[in-house]
Amino acid sequence: DAGVIQSPRHEVTEMGQEVTLRCKPISGHDYLFWYRQTMMRGLELLIYFNNNVPIDDSGMPEDRFSAKMPNASFSTLKIQPSEPRDSAVYFCASRTTSGRYNEQFFGPGTRLTVL
Amino acid sequence: AQSVTQLDSHVSVSEGTPVLLRCNYSSSYSPSLFWYVQHPNKGLQLLLKYTSAATLVKGINGFEAEFKKSETSFHLTKPSAHMSDAAEYFCVVSDWRRDDKIIFGKGTRLHILP
Repeated sequence: DAGVIQSPRHEVTEMGQEVTLRCKPISGHDYLFWYRQTMMRGLELLIYFNNNVPIDDSGMPEDRFSAKMPNASFSTLKIQPSEPRDSAVYFCASRTTSGRYNEQFFGPGTRLTVL
Repeated sequence: AQSVTQLDSHVSVSEGTPVLLRCNYSSSYSPSLFWYVQHPNKGLQLLLKYTSAATLVKGINGFEAEFKKSETSFHLTKPSAHMSDAAEYFCVVSDWRRDDKIIFGKGTRLHILP
């Protein structure tokens, strides 16, 4: 099994540019989660989807952030315009149908640096 | 509301000695509990999970955790530390009856001294 796939693994961009992060969940998983990890704030849930539908986006920091899941095998997280404070590692995770003991499987992350 | 507290931000042990990483949780319901490990510049990997089948849970790489409801704790242990155990460890709680989100602790960085 390929696991959760994220691309790119590293992204360096300049302030004001648009950034798009991509995620392919594990086949058959119907939940997808986007997290951000920084030294200051630790791991934060940004948004999650169930069956391609956004369920909770209360963690999205501001309108510059948007996420989509056009189909069961692909999701994007977009930042437009990007700012230096968006520099972080962004993780995507997926999980099977809601169940008490169903853990989330994490991708390797995308390290974003905004100059 | 659910929450999780990892009592130590850093723990240092010598190779071959026991490891103890402490975690306390707060939950309105019977929680689901997990430990994840993150090696430097890597993603998060599940170490073990509490499934209510047994209070002592065995995970990968020789790690164990014991669920103690009376103490609201889920501490992670390993009898003998190995250099490869150096990583960050996250305790995670889920109020599975409320929603599908999980709450991460702030993490404990484990240092292994030669």
